[in-house]
Amino acid sequence: SQKIEQNSEALNIQEGKTATLTCNYTNYSPAYLQWYRQDPGRGPVFLLLIRENEKEKRKERLKVTFDTTLKQSLFHITASQPADSATYLCAPAINNNDMRFGAGTRLTVKP
Amino acid sequence: DGGITQSPKYLFRKEGQNVTLSCEQNLNHDAMYWYRQDPGQGLRLIYYSQIVNDFQKGDIAEGYSVSREKKESFPLTVTSAQKNPTAFYLCAISTGGYGYTFGSGTRLTVV
Repeated sequence: SQKIEQNSEALNIQEGKTATLTCNYTNYSPAYLQWYRQDPGRGPVFLLLIRENEKEKRKERLKVTFDTTLKQSLFHITASQPADSATYLCAPAINNNDMRFGAGTRLTVKP
Repeated sequence: DGGITQSPKYLFRKEGQNVTLSCEQNLNHDAMYWYRQDPGQGLRLIYYSQIVNDFQKGDIAEGYSVSREKKESFPLTVTSAQKNPTAFYLCAISTGGYGYTFGSGTRLTVV
């Protein structure tokens, strides 16, 4: 069965460091992969989308990589800030109606 | 939440009762989705609709029903057949290549 795994339930880092979150998937061949941020009690907010033919995508302090051979995406936040503390969800998708979400990694950035 | 409104924010259901969660959007998008989120699990798709008067079951449709009589509205009814309805419910619209826009969610609790 299809499985989406995010590396850890929680990640704690010091302000200013780079946070790296991992998303692995099995039995699934997504055409693209999305990353979302979710704050407690709120809906997820879209951050980035990367397609299967793209190796890397950047947006300000965010960088996403997508390796279809390893079946893995890495999500980096550089120069992290306490305001980056949230849960981050990965969501590989075959199409808009077949998108799977990981359980998320809760990131805490300490001042 | 970017033109998509869910109500109520909190909802309490008694045993054997049907309850309806509202989702309204003013972004003129065709595709709308309902997800359920439980602690430690990824979002799971309940139902989706691509156009008015048409909708499709997702992975966990049992115990739920929907309607799509207007483009702007996609209400979800949690029926008494859903034995474990306590969860956080999220409505979303698809914005093409720019991910999903989610509502702020409804937290349903069985009392």
